[in-house]
Amino acid sequence: QKEVEQDPGPLSVPEGAIVSLNCTYSNSAFQYFMWYRQYSRKGPELLMYTYSSGNKEDGRFTAQVDKSSKYISLFIRDSQPSDSATYLCAMSVGGTNAGKSTFGDGTTLTVKP
Amino acid sequence: KAGVTQTPRYLIKTRGQQVTLSCSPISGHRSVSWYQQTPGQGLQFLFEYFSETQRNKGNFPGRFSGRQFSNSRSEMNVSTLELGDSALYLCASSLQGSGANVLTFGAGSRLTVL
Repeated sequence: QKEVEQDPGPLSVPEGAIVSLNCTYSNSAFQYFMWYRQYSRKGPELLMYTYSSGNKEDGRFTAQVDKSSKYISLFIRDSQPSDSATYLCAMSVGGTNAGKSTFGDGTTLTVKP
Repeated sequence: KAGVTQTPRYLIKTRGQQVTLSCSPISGHRSVSWYQQTPGQGLQFLFEYFSETQRNKGNFPGRFSGRQFSNSRSEMNVSTLELGDSALYLCASSLQGSGANVLTFGAGSRLTVL
């Protein structure tokens, strides 16, 4: 079983919808939780990161981490066609292992105009 | 500010050959990590270099190796290529490789092994 499991896609929603993307993990040592967005033929780009449990909001994006349940989520409000991409959750222990992130398999999102 | 630059962007090799990929990190970034991305396995960590030393290593065979130079540029090498090595190889750099370690990825080098 993988350390990080991500809800499989693909996901297709109409413009303006609220999108929920989710990951679960098994390694309780993870301290940093990241969401990356990857467009076709590009490398992943960081959207948000959260340290430990809690919520973090950045514009239309909200990241939630529940360490007790080993569950993280990314919410996208008022989704736009430009949000169409593959979303990857990632986790890291931090410290001297900070360069090693464990990724979910990704969820491909399509937002239809 | 220049991003992470990877070369070459695309390459085709045959089984048994070897390949060297290059990565130039963002200026000032001392940590460079390499990842392999395939449709079946997703993004998998290969190794990380920090100040010219390999600090972390993933679960890949010894055919996969890397190094980092004093200017933080990094190379990875794959010897005796196999069909299964066909993948997008991504390099990521970060400022100091600790704490949150926000990774900035390059566009990747797409390797096809025939």
